[in-house]
Amino acid sequence: EVQLVESGGALVQPGESLRLSCAASGFTFSSFEMNWVRQAPGKGLEWLSSISDSASTRYYADSVKGRFSISRDNAESSLYLQMNSLRAEDTAVYYCARGGWHADWGQGTLVTVSS
Amino acid sequence: DVVLTQSPLSLPVTLGQPASISCRSSQSLVSSDGNTYLHWFQQRPGQSPRRLICKVFNRDSGVPDRFSGSGSGTDFTLKISRVEAEDVGVYYCMQGTHWPPYTFGQGTKLEIK
Repeated sequence: EVQLVESGGALVQPGESLRLSCAASGFTFSSFEMNWVRQAPGKGLEWLSSISDSASTRYYADSVKGRFSISRDNAESSLYLQMNSLRAEDTAVYYCARGGWHADWGQGTLVTVSS
Repeated sequence: DVVLTQSPLSLPVTLGQPASISCRSSQSLVSSDGNTYLHWFQQRPGQSPRRLICKVFNRDSGVPDRFSGSGSGTDFTLKISRVEAEDVGVYYCMQGTHWPPYTFGQGTKLEIK
């Protein structure tokens, strides 16, 4: 059974940094592109970033380009999102999703940016 | 970027009745490989999104056969043949043909009338 478990969400102040993690199991992690998607309170889904299976290619939404960085550790079956210069509008539940077709999602981790 | 426009945004339905959600794309979602990467997701209240259908009409494992997807090019539809109480939630279409970025529709909130 595929499992994706996000962690690392917290309440932070504007301008601070945070690192999210996604622990994967139940599939060959190193064979899949992985994605981060977020959902602001009461809003829809917004794709943020993708990383290829080998980490050779990374893509970002314009809204986070230059502030967020995606990475992965295939040996540990883990996906990461380093978030810098956080803003109030980054407040959201952050999900990791498996594959380009977003077949499986984690339960999400809440990031709140507020002073 | 590809814009996906869903309608309606709110969908009150009587139990046992059919429901239909439209997803229109700002450009054709037919890929150069011949596939159409248009997927449908369900998000029940308080839960994570769950994929229901991939590539227009392929139901995911465990998805009831009352859910069906259809369409081509720029116009796509998710149909529920007989709505049940567990179908309450928000439904999203998503395209993966012209990425980055992957884009989602605004979501359609299905409620029981």
